Amino acid sequence: GAVVSQHPSRVICKSGTSVKIECRSLDFQATTMFWYRQFPKQSLMLMATSNEGSKATYEQGVEKDKFLINHASLTLSTLTVTSAHPEDSSFYICSARWFQPQHFGDGTRLSIL
Amino acid sequence: DAKTTQPPSMDCAEGRAANLPCNHSTISGNEYVYWYRQIHSQGPQYIIHGLKNNETNEMASLIITEDRKSSTLILPHATLRDTAVYYCIVRAEGDSSYKLIFGSGTRLLVRP
Repeated sequence: GAVVSQHPSRVICKSGTSVKIECRSLDFQATTMFWYRQFPKQSLMLMATSNEGSKATYEQGVEKDKFLINHASLTLSTLTVTSAHPEDSSFYICSARWFQPQHFGDGTRLSIL
Repeated sequence: DAKTTQPPSMDCAEGRAANLPCNHSTISGNEYVYWYRQIHSQGPQYIIHGLKNNETNEMASLIITEDRKSSTLILPHATLRDTAVYYCIVRAEGDSSYKLIFGSGTRLLVRP
C-alpha cells in the first residue's frame, strides 16, 4: 500500500488564490521530504528539500516566497502555492524518506483558471 | 551526482522480457544506481537499486556491469501495466541531501 499520502489529488481554482497541498508519510517518520513539479511531457523537477523543524532548501530558480513549505512534524509537510496564476498549473509531487528507498506520493494536479 | 543516459523510448511485446539500458560512465565509487518508474498521472514508484552486485526483487532484476559504467533493468515478463516512463538515477549514499534528480527517462510501451 501507499507509504506517502498526498492531498488533494486535484485542485481547480481561480487565479490569485493560494493553494495548500499536504504530504504525509504513513507508517514511518520522514526526516526529509521533497517537493517536485512536473509539466506535461517533461520529467520531474526538484523544487525544494524540506527537513523537519528547519527551513526548506530551495533549488535554484524556485521562488521561496511563492512556494511556501512547512515541515512541522516528522509525518507532515505542506506546500502552499501563494497567489497562484495559470503558469503555476502543474503536477506537484512530494517524496519522503527515512531509510532507503525514497517513496513518492501520487501527486496533486493543480489547475489555475 | 553522476549523470545518466537512457534511450528516450523502447517497446516490447507483452510476456517478453523488457531490457532497459542506462549509461552512467562518470559514476563514483559510492554512488548507487536507482530505478523508478512513473505510470501516467501517478507519482514515481521505486523499483530497485544497487551498488555493484546484481540485484533481484519481485518486480525486476538489475544488472550492473563490472566497471559500473552502465546497467540494465530487466522486467522478466512484461505486462501491459508495465507501460511507463522508467528513470535511472545515480546518487551517493553519503550525500546528506538525499536528493533524487530525474533525467528524461525511457518511455516503455508494452504491446499486446
